[in-house]
Order: sequence, then C-alpha cells, then structure tokens
Amino acid sequence: NAGVTQTPKFRILKIGQSMTLQCTQDMNHNYMYWYRQDPGMGLKLIYYSVGAGITDKGEVPNGYNVSRSTTEDFPLRLELAAPSQTSVYFCASSLGGYDGYTFGSGTRLTVV
Amino acid sequence: EDQVTQSPEALRLQEGESSSLNCSYTVSGLRGLFWYRQDPGKGPEFLFTLYSAGEEKEKERLKATLTKKESFLHITAPKPEDSATYLCAVQAGAAGNKLTFGGGTRVLVKP
Repeated sequence: NAGVTQTPKFRILKIGQSMTLQCTQDMNHNYMYWYRQDPGMGLKLIYYSVGAGITDKGEVPNGYNVSRSTTEDFPLRLELAAPSQTSVYFCASSLGGYDGYTFGSGTRLTVV
Repeated sequence: EDQVTQSPEALRLQEGESSSLNCSYTVSGLRGLFWYRQDPGKGPEFLFTLYSAGEEKEKERLKATLTKKESFLHITAPKPEDSATYLCAVQAGAAGNKLTFGGGTRVLVKP
C-alpha cells in the first residue's frame, strides 16, 4: 500500500517555465489537497478537491491550476514559474469527516 | 478567518526533560483539532484528532489536550527520537474538510 505518491522529489525551474507536479493515492480517498510550505512557516492550502471532477481554490491559488479526472490523481500545474513559487509542495488525501490527512513526501521546487 | 498560532517556535530539551507545546486557535465552529509530527525532508505524519474541550489523547510519550481556545501537546520524558517539528491544525465547518495549520514548533531533544 503506497499511500500518497508525489513526483518529482526535486526540481529546478527557470523563471517563466511551466511544470506539473504529480500526485497519486491508492487509498480510494475522495478528498485531496495541495499545500505549500515555506521555510519556518506552516502549510498553506493551494487547491483542494472533494471528488473526481470537483476542485476549488484554497488560500493561495494564484499561479497554479489543478484538475481531478480520476479519484487517484490530482496533478498541480505551475504556469509561468516565478521565484515566489520556490517552496516545498505537499499533496495529501483523506476519507473526509474527522479523518487526518495522509501526506506525500513532498516536492522541493526552486525557481531561479 | 481561521487562525492558528503555535508557541514556542523552537524548543531545546535535554533527554528526560518534560515540556509542553501550545496551540492557540480562533475558528468559527471547530470540528476538530489535529496534531502532526514532521521529520526533516518528509511529509507530516498524523498523531491525534481532538473534537471537544476537555478531551485528551495519548500516544507513547505524547499527550494532547484541548480547551475552548487552545490545545497543548505534552512531551513526557522525551527521547532524542522525539526530535521533530510538531504541527497543529484546525478544521472548521466549511466545505472540503480543509485544515488550517499553525507555523509549527521545532523540538530538539539532546541526549
């Protein structure tokens, strides 16, 4: 049982480039989330999804896009990368209700 | 807007020296308060959920408590392997079961 898998683990982008961060879960969770974590800071919600075909903005959505075509996958797209998007990105999933999230191991992104 | 504040930002302990971490929150309609442990370079790992004031939960050397305005994570007789960042998060009544996280407390336990 792999849980939540994120790829890649590390990436360096140049300003203006685009990329997709991949996230897959094998627990049949309906709820999925993307957070970013800056040094010494807590996690900030970027986007979330309550099921296939349904997505919504979180606290810091600007510069990002998501899609949810299947229950398992929730990719995060960065268009026109900016230095302010340098961060560690975490994907998470949950059954909903009072269940805690299961997090992936993160993607460390640097924009130069 | 939901807010979560954790203190202190960092805590250095000697092995066996018990201490407490604080998580104060402002939220309309608390559904649950969550504690996570995060090791360097890894994703947060779920520890506890607390649902109502007065509730307590324990796991090994960790004990979490909840009041109407704050939660405490007590570390009893810590060991070096308890060194980590501890994150607190609240879930309010809004759609999506979203969590709002605090900034975390970095705990270092020295042998």
